[in-house]
Amino acid sequence: GNSVTQMEGPVTLSEEAFLTINCTYTATGYPSLFWYVQYPGEGLQLLLKATKADDKGSNKGFEATYRKETTSFHLEKGSVQVSDSAVYFCALARDSNYQLIWGAGTKLIIKP
Amino acid sequence: KAGVTQTPRYLIKTRGQQVTLSCSPISGHRSVSWYQQTPGQGLQFLFEYFSETQRNKGNFPGRFSGRQFSNSRSEMNVSTLELGDSALYLCASSGQTNEKLFFGSGTQLSVL
Repeated sequence: GNSVTQMEGPVTLSEEAFLTINCTYTATGYPSLFWYVQYPGEGLQLLLKATKADDKGSNKGFEATYRKETTSFHLEKGSVQVSDSAVYFCALARDSNYQLIWGAGTKLIIKP
Repeated sequence: KAGVTQTPRYLIKTRGQQVTLSCSPISGHRSVSWYQQTPGQGLQFLFEYFSETQRNKGNFPGRFSGRQFSNSRSEMNVSTLELGDSALYLCASSGQTNEKLFFGSGTQLSVL
């Protein structure tokens, strides 16, 4: 079946460090892939997405590349800030009207 | 444009009671989906409604039910509450497809 696996958290980094949060997926066909972010006390917001192999999604300095050969969609940021502290969710959609399948979420803590 | 509005923000109930949560989607959005978020289980999909019809359903017992009205507003009901139902319940809305979800801030339900 379809599934998403994320690296366990929490991930703790110092400000300006390089960030990678790993995400791998299992799915039939060619799903769309997403990263959502949840700031404390809020609902989730779409951070970026990619709809086909080799696409790169990017937003707010974050990037993720859809790698079909490794079934991965790792989230990266070159220099994190304290304000990036949040929970990050990787998700996939099998097709446009199918419910998203979510990873467990990775809590990111950035220390000043 | 107003965002997704969930009411109430906090709710305290006792075991055996029933509860109704409300979600008002972004104007023009016809899809509303519901999620349960707990520290142990993460984000779990409950169900999704599109134009008043349940389109997708997760693996929750029949005590969890929902409906959608003609104005796209949705309600979720949980009957015979159990301690394990304590969670943050998130609602999300989207347009024609589920490829970008807009989340509300959630209803925090505590069952005592």
